[in-house]
Amino acid sequence: GAVVSQHPSWVICKSGTSVKIECRSLDFQATTMFWYRQFPKQSLMLMATSNEGSKATYEQGVEKDKFLINHASLTLSTLTVTSAHPEDSSFYICSATPQGRNTDTQYFGPGTRLTVL
Amino acid sequence: GEDVEQSLFLSVREGDSSVINCTYTDSSSTYLYWYKQEPGAGLQLLTYIFSNMDMKQDQRLTVLLNKKDKHLSLRIADTQTGDSAIYFCAEGYNNNDMRFGAGTRLTVKP
Repeated sequence: GAVVSQHPSWVICKSGTSVKIECRSLDFQATTMFWYRQFPKQSLMLMATSNEGSKATYEQGVEKDKFLINHASLTLSTLTVTSAHPEDSSFYICSATPQGRNTDTQYFGPGTRLTVL
Repeated sequence: GEDVEQSLFLSVREGDSSVINCTYTDSSSTYLYWYKQEPGAGLQLLTYIFSNMDMKQDQRLTVLLNKKDKHLSLRIADTQTGDSAIYFCAEGYNNNDMRFGAGTRLTVKP
């Protein structure tokens, strides 16, 4: 159990377009999902915490109007990179905490590589 | 199911060595990582090892990789209270996929 999927796994888009990345918990319900961003060989940077049915909490320095997060159900959170630019190219990873567990427990998705041309 | 497994909890006394273990099922990974997460913070990359290496040492940290048994371990020497955190192991692939374990909570008692 405890599988988290992301879609797409790899996306290339033109500068100025918007890209939506989905994060799904496949066999459990997740009240909390996290979105991370990773640059090559660097740490994962927490971007935001997404709670089902409420607005996401963004980390300092992360533009909420640029990285739109929607956690519409207990199994799905989406991250939309709006008006993407080459500097948004990165590896985006989500994680999910099963309902009823504290956020010590996180199950990670496989990541989505975004390349903006 | 999970491809990367870790025990959920480890408790040690200050000054002792800590060994956090991780097993994985896919031998095609390129890198194996150890991340540390402190409360309320994102994951911090501690160290990584290429899949063709057996050992890597970095100050108090020693990573051992047994490819035959698909076993990865992180040893922290002279563990301090500041080392209390959750430690995640992860596999990394050439296509940039990653697979994480569920994390081991290390508690260091004075």
